Amino acid sequence: DSGVTQTPKHLITATGQRVTLRCSPRSGDLSVYWYQQSLDQGLQFLIQYYNGEERAKGNILERFSAQQFPDLHSELNLSSLELGDSALYFCASSVDPRGRDNEQFFGPGTRLTVL
Amino acid sequence: EDQVTQSPEALRLQEGESSSLNCSYTVSGLRGLFWYRQDPGKGPEFLFTLYSAGEEKEKERLKATLTKKESFLHITAPKPEDSATYLCAVQAGNSGYALNFGKGTSLLVTP
Repeated sequence: DSGVTQTPKHLITATGQRVTLRCSPRSGDLSVYWYQQSLDQGLQFLIQYYNGEERAKGNILERFSAQQFPDLHSELNLSSLELGDSALYFCASSVDPRGRDNEQFFGPGTRLTVL
Repeated sequence: EDQVTQSPEALRLQEGESSSLNCSYTVSGLRGLFWYRQDPGKGPEFLFTLYSAGEEKEKERLKATLTKKESFLHITAPKPEDSATYLCAVQAGNSGYALNFGKGTSLLVTP
């Protein structure tokens, strides 16, 4: 158990819908990262937050957005869902990415299925 | 553009048969190279971080090494419970703190 929690575990929805994925980082971790894992693309970085502020953006679609709240939990919002958005979505956290020991610890993931 | 290539894609070993997994990378200013283990349907589990060429780290039957162009994950006398996908990722100095992952090596260890 990494200490990172994600809800829900599974999500099944229809095309065009909007969903929210939630992540709670490990106690003491200030930075949260979101990744998408699909069979053909592997693990792809989406976005990073540090202490409530957006720090880096990867291959995140405009239909996707995220935020980190004062209690440091984070939410990833996916809207106008398409079949191709079906994937595993992982949240990871680290203490302070600027430090030397900045390994990221991953949560169990949310499996999203868009029908 | 940063690239991470892992080989082989899949590897089947007999219990006790040692081998190595390869991770080749090209990156602008390496901050760190990370190894993770992932079981089916689960989140990646952190194994090692390597920061500079020549560095080595060990954990049980696993040993990770780093050169300027590649990293190896050596598995000594593997057991069936070592079966998993092993992921390599690089963190570049010019791309924030995101991890750029390879596609992984799927390892199966048979009794």
